[in-house]
Amino acid sequence: DQQVKQNSPSLSVQEGRISILNCDYTNSMFDYFLWYKKYPAEGPTFLISISSIKDKNEDGRFTVFLNKSAKHLSLHIVPSQPGDSAVYFCAASDSNYQLIWGAGTKLIIKP
Amino acid sequence: EAGVTQSPTHLIKTRGQQATLRCSPISGHTSVYWYQQALGLGLQFLLWYDEGEERNRGNFPPRFSGRQFPNYSSELNVNALELEDSALYLCASSNRRGRLRGETQYFGPGTRLLVL
Repeated sequence: DQQVKQNSPSLSVQEGRISILNCDYTNSMFDYFLWYKKYPAEGPTFLISISSIKDKNEDGRFTVFLNKSAKHLSLHIVPSQPGDSAVYFCAASDSNYQLIWGAGTKLIIKP
Repeated sequence: EAGVTQSPTHLIKTRGQQATLRCSPISGHTSVYWYQQALGLGLQFLLWYDEGEERNRGNFPPRFSGRQFPNYSSELNVNALELEDSALYLCASSNRRGRLRGETQYFGPGTRLLVL
Protein backbone atom coordinates (compact mmCIF):
# COMPACT_ATOMS: atom_id res chain seq x y z
CA ASP A 1 0.00 0.00 0.00
CA GLN A 2 1.67 3.18 -1.22
CA GLN A 3 1.22 5.93 1.32
CA VAL A 4 2.93 8.52 -0.86
CA LYS A 5 2.11 8.61 -4.55
CA GLN A 6 3.59 10.51 -7.45
CA ASN A 7 1.29 9.56 -10.25
CA SER A 8 3.26 11.13 -13.09
CA PRO A 9 6.39 9.11 -13.91
CA SER A 10 7.62 11.91 -16.15
CA LEU A 11 6.93 15.51 -17.08
CA SER A 12 8.25 17.59 -19.95
CA VAL A 13 8.29 21.40 -19.68
CA GLN A 14 9.61 24.17 -21.89
CA GLU A 15 12.52 26.17 -20.51
CA GLY A 16 11.29 29.36 -18.84
CA ARG A 17 7.82 27.97 -18.11
CA ILE A 18 6.43 26.72 -14.81
CA SER A 19 6.99 23.09 -13.78
CA ILE A 20 4.40 21.61 -11.42
CA LEU A 21 5.09 18.29 -9.77
CA ASN A 22 2.37 16.63 -7.77
CA CYS A 23 2.30 14.30 -4.82
CA ASP A 24 -0.59 12.67 -2.94
CA TYR A 25 -0.54 10.96 0.43
CA THR A 26 -2.95 8.80 2.37
CA ASN A 27 -1.73 8.92 5.96
CA SER A 28 -3.19 11.85 7.90
CA MET A 29 -0.47 11.41 10.55
CA PHE A 30 2.17 12.79 8.20
CA ASP A 31 3.17 16.20 9.49
CA TYR A 32 6.23 17.10 7.47
CA PHE A 33 6.84 16.89 3.77
CA LEU A 34 10.00 17.14 1.75
CA TRP A 35 11.06 17.29 -1.87
CA TYR A 36 14.34 15.82 -3.04
CA LYS A 37 16.03 16.10 -6.39
CA LYS A 38 18.16 13.35 -7.89
CA TYR A 39 20.59 13.45 -10.77
CA PRO A 40 21.79 10.21 -12.40
CA ALA A 41 24.61 8.47 -10.52
CA GLU A 42 24.11 10.71 -7.49
CA GLY A 43 22.13 10.40 -4.28
CA PRO A 44 19.02 12.52 -3.79
CA THR A 45 19.59 16.02 -2.43
CA PHE A 46 17.16 17.91 -0.23
CA LEU A 47 15.34 20.71 -2.04
CA ILE A 48 12.56 22.17 0.06
CA SER A 49 10.23 21.14 2.89
CA ILE A 50 6.98 22.16 4.47
CA SER A 51 5.42 21.57 7.84
CA SER A 52 1.75 20.66 8.10
CA ILE A 53 1.09 23.89 9.99
CA LYS A 54 1.78 25.81 6.79
CA ASP A 55 0.21 25.72 3.37
CA LYS A 56 3.05 27.28 1.41
CA ASN A 57 6.81 27.51 1.59
CA GLU A 58 8.97 29.37 -0.88
CA ASP A 59 12.68 29.25 -1.58
CA GLY A 60 13.83 31.16 -4.63
CA ARG A 61 12.38 29.54 -7.74
CA PHE A 62 10.90 26.69 -5.73
CA THR A 63 7.55 26.81 -3.95
CA VAL A 64 5.79 23.94 -2.24
CA PHE A 65 2.05 24.06 -1.63
CA LEU A 66 0.26 21.82 0.85
CA ASN A 67 -3.46 21.08 0.79
CA LYS A 68 -4.11 19.04 3.92
CA SER A 69 -7.79 18.48 3.26
CA ALA A 70 -6.97 16.97 -0.12
CA LYS A 71 -3.82 15.26 1.18
CA HIS A 72 -1.98 16.77 -1.74
CA LEU A 73 1.19 18.72 -2.20
CA SER A 74 2.84 20.22 -5.21
CA LEU A 75 6.21 21.64 -6.12
CA HIS A 76 6.32 24.63 -8.43
CA ILE A 77 9.51 25.61 -10.23
CA VAL A 78 9.43 29.04 -11.87
CA PRO A 79 11.07 29.67 -14.25
CA SER A 80 12.22 26.19 -15.23
CA GLN A 81 15.87 25.89 -16.22
CA PRO A 82 17.79 23.11 -18.02
CA GLY A 83 19.61 22.24 -14.79
CA ASP A 84 16.27 21.40 -13.23
CA SER A 85 16.08 18.25 -15.35
CA ALA A 86 16.23 15.48 -12.76
CA VAL A 87 14.07 13.02 -10.88
CA TYR A 88 12.05 14.63 -8.10
CA PHE A 89 10.98 12.64 -5.08
CA CYS A 90 8.29 13.59 -2.64
CA ALA A 91 8.68 12.25 0.92
CA ALA A 92 6.50 12.44 4.00
CA SER A 93 7.41 12.13 7.65
CA ASP A 94 5.41 11.35 10.74
CA SER A 95 6.24 11.88 14.40
CA ASN A 96 8.56 8.86 14.26
CA TYR A 97 10.74 10.78 11.81
CA GLN A 98 10.56 8.03 9.22
CA LEU A 99 10.47 9.16 5.64
CA ILE A 100 8.05 7.51 3.27
CA TRP A 101 8.94 8.11 -0.35
CA GLY A 102 7.07 8.45 -3.57
CA ALA A 103 8.29 6.70 -6.70
CA GLY A 104 9.59 9.91 -8.25
CA THR A 105 8.78 12.06 -11.27
CA LYS A 106 11.34 12.58 -14.01
CA LEU A 107 11.31 16.24 -15.06
CA ILE A 108 12.67 17.08 -18.49
CA ILE A 109 13.23 20.73 -19.34
CA LYS A 110 13.20 21.32 -23.08
CA PRO A 111 15.32 24.16 -24.51
CA GLU B 1 32.29 19.38 5.76
CA ALA B 2 32.48 15.93 4.18
CA GLY B 3 29.24 14.43 2.95
CA VAL B 4 27.95 10.91 3.25
CA THR B 5 30.36 8.43 1.69
CA GLN B 6 29.63 4.93 0.47
CA SER B 7 31.86 2.10 -0.67
CA PRO B 8 32.27 0.42 -3.01
CA THR B 9 30.73 2.44 -5.82
CA HIS B 10 30.05 -0.69 -7.84
CA LEU B 11 29.84 -4.33 -6.80
CA ILE B 12 29.36 -7.40 -8.96
CA LYS B 13 28.38 -10.68 -7.33
CA THR B 14 26.86 -13.98 -8.38
CA ARG B 15 23.69 -15.60 -7.09
CA GLY B 16 24.07 -17.08 -3.63
CA GLN B 17 27.02 -14.93 -2.64
CA GLN B 18 27.05 -12.31 0.10
CA ALA B 19 27.51 -8.57 -0.40
CA THR B 20 28.72 -6.03 2.15
CA LEU B 21 28.11 -2.34 1.57
CA ARG B 22 29.54 0.43 3.73
CA CYS B 23 28.43 3.90 4.66
CA SER B 24 30.04 6.75 6.59
CA PRO B 25 27.61 9.44 7.75
CA ILE B 26 28.18 13.15 7.99
CA SER B 27 30.14 14.02 11.11
CA GLY B 28 27.74 14.59 13.98
CA HIS B 29 24.91 12.57 12.44
CA THR B 30 23.81 9.62 14.53
CA SER B 31 21.14 8.15 12.27
CA VAL B 32 21.87 6.08 9.18
CA TYR B 33 19.24 4.89 6.73
CA TRP B 34 19.55 2.34 3.98
CA TYR B 35 17.39 2.35 0.87
CA GLN B 36 17.11 0.18 -2.20
CA GLN B 37 16.31 1.74 -5.54
CA ALA B 38 15.64 -0.89 -8.15
CA LEU B 39 15.62 0.14 -11.80
CA GLY B 40 12.56 2.27 -12.57
CA LEU B 41 11.32 2.26 -8.99
CA GLY B 42 11.38 4.74 -6.13
CA LEU B 43 13.34 4.45 -2.94
CA GLN B 44 12.34 1.50 -0.80
CA PHE B 45 13.22 1.83 2.87
CA LEU B 46 15.44 -0.99 4.13
CA LEU B 47 16.85 -0.20 7.56
CA TRP B 48 17.27 2.61 10.05
CA TYR B 49 20.02 2.71 12.64
CA ASP B 50 20.36 5.28 15.35
CA GLU B 51 22.90 5.39 18.17
CA GLY B 52 24.06 1.89 17.30
CA GLU B 53 20.63 0.28 17.44
CA GLU B 54 18.35 -0.93 14.67
CA ARG B 55 15.24 1.25 15.03
CA ASN B 56 13.14 0.08 12.14
CA ARG B 57 13.27 -2.09 9.06
CA GLY B 58 11.30 -2.10 5.86
CA ASN B 59 9.50 -4.94 4.19
CA PHE B 60 12.58 -6.94 3.20
CA PRO B 61 13.56 -10.52 4.05
CA PRO B 62 15.95 -11.26 6.93
CA ARG B 63 18.83 -11.89 4.55
CA PHE B 64 19.06 -8.10 4.44
CA SER B 65 20.78 -7.08 7.65
CA GLY B 66 23.24 -4.56 8.91
CA ARG B 67 24.79 -2.85 11.85
CA GLN B 68 25.97 0.52 13.05
CA PHE B 69 29.36 0.96 14.64
CA PRO B 70 30.30 3.19 17.60
CA ASN B 71 31.56 5.85 15.17
CA TYR B 72 28.07 5.77 13.55
CA SER B 73 29.28 4.28 10.28
CA SER B 74 27.19 1.42 9.03
CA GLU B 75 27.29 -1.80 7.04
CA LEU B 76 24.56 -3.38 5.00
CA ASN B 77 24.87 -7.12 4.43
CA VAL B 78 22.87 -9.01 1.86
CA ASN B 79 23.13 -12.78 2.11
CA ALA B 80 22.19 -15.43 -0.43
CA LEU B 81 22.04 -12.87 -3.23
CA GLU B 82 19.27 -13.15 -5.78
CA LEU B 83 19.10 -11.63 -9.24
CA GLU B 84 16.39 -9.18 -8.14
CA ASP B 85 18.74 -7.72 -5.52
CA SER B 86 20.45 -5.88 -8.36
CA ALA B 87 19.82 -2.23 -7.54
CA LEU B 88 21.28 1.04 -6.35
CA TYR B 89 21.69 0.98 -2.58
CA LEU B 90 21.59 4.41 -1.02
CA CYS B 91 22.68 5.37 2.44
CA ALA B 92 21.52 8.55 4.13
CA SER B 93 22.34 10.16 7.43
CA SER B 94 20.51 12.65 9.57
CA ASN B 95 20.90 14.54 12.77
CA ARG B 96 17.91 13.69 14.91
CA ARG B 97 18.80 16.53 17.22
CA GLY B 98 17.76 18.99 14.50
CA ARG B 99 14.10 18.27 14.92
CA LEU B 100 12.94 21.83 14.42
CA ARG B 101 13.30 21.32 10.70
CA GLY B 102 11.94 17.84 10.73
CA GLU B 103 13.75 14.89 9.36
CA THR B 104 16.10 15.86 6.55
CA GLN B 105 18.31 13.12 5.23
CA TYR B 106 21.57 13.61 3.42
CA PHE B 107 22.41 10.95 0.88
CA GLY B 108 25.56 9.34 -0.33
CA PRO B 109 26.12 8.57 -4.02
CA GLY B 110 25.09 4.95 -3.60
CA THR B 111 26.52 1.52 -4.33
CA ARG B 112 25.35 -0.11 -7.51
CA LEU B 113 25.05 -3.85 -6.93
CA LEU B 114 24.80 -6.20 -9.86
CA VAL B 115 23.95 -9.84 -9.23
CA LEU B 116 24.71 -12.21 -12.09
